[in-house]
Amino acid sequence: AQSVTQLGSHVSVSEGALVLLRCNYSSSVPPYLFWYVQYPNQGLQLLLKYTSAATLVKGINGFEAEFKKSETSFHLTKPSAHMSDAAEYFCAVSGGYNKLIFGAGTRLAVHP
Amino acid sequence: EAGVAQSPRYKIIEKRQSVAFWCNPISGHATLYWYQQILGQGPKLLIQFQNNGVVDDSQLPKDRFSAERLKGVDSTLKIQPAKLEDSAVYLCASRLDSTYEQYFGPGTRLTVT
Repeated sequence: AQSVTQLGSHVSVSEGALVLLRCNYSSSVPPYLFWYVQYPNQGLQLLLKYTSAATLVKGINGFEAEFKKSETSFHLTKPSAHMSDAAEYFCAVSGGYNKLIFGAGTRLAVHP
Repeated sequence: EAGVAQSPRYKIIEKRQSVAFWCNPISGHATLYWYQQILGQGPKLLIQFQNNGVVDDSQLPKDRFSAERLKGVDSTLKIQPAKLEDSAVYLCASRLDSTYEQYFGPGTRLTVT
């Protein structure tokens, strides 16, 4: 069965600093992996996805993630945080019938 | 292209009452999902439709929850009777069969008092 673990329920960074949000997955088959962002009172928006092509995936708003099979990780990074990046971020793995199995989420706070 | 539409956006009911949520997916998306997102947790799949057929409802509490997608387009999710622990955001998502991405609606925030 597939599962996702997001390390750190809250991450706080200064504006301009590196953003690193951690995600580890468990899957019995080659995984498809996703990062979604959720702003307050909104639905989830896809940031980026890994579907077995390039291991370094670039997404919207300057985010990227690297798939590391040996570490079963798919960490999300952004070189320089912006105030508008403050939101909740969810890592997900695709399970049977292409349903998504989500981690518990990481709330990112960005301070001036 | 219009996104996934959901209504209502907010609903407050008392326990043991019934409630229904509506979702209209992106045009042409055959697959529709309902997720439950409890505060502080990631979304959890309740039910998945392919056109008007159920693909996966293994996590749906069938004693109180029901869902339908009669014409293979819009869908309704019903809770009857509601319990306090049903307080959550109910998210609808849809997907084009040839892709992996799911597109989410804004959700319905349900509060059961």
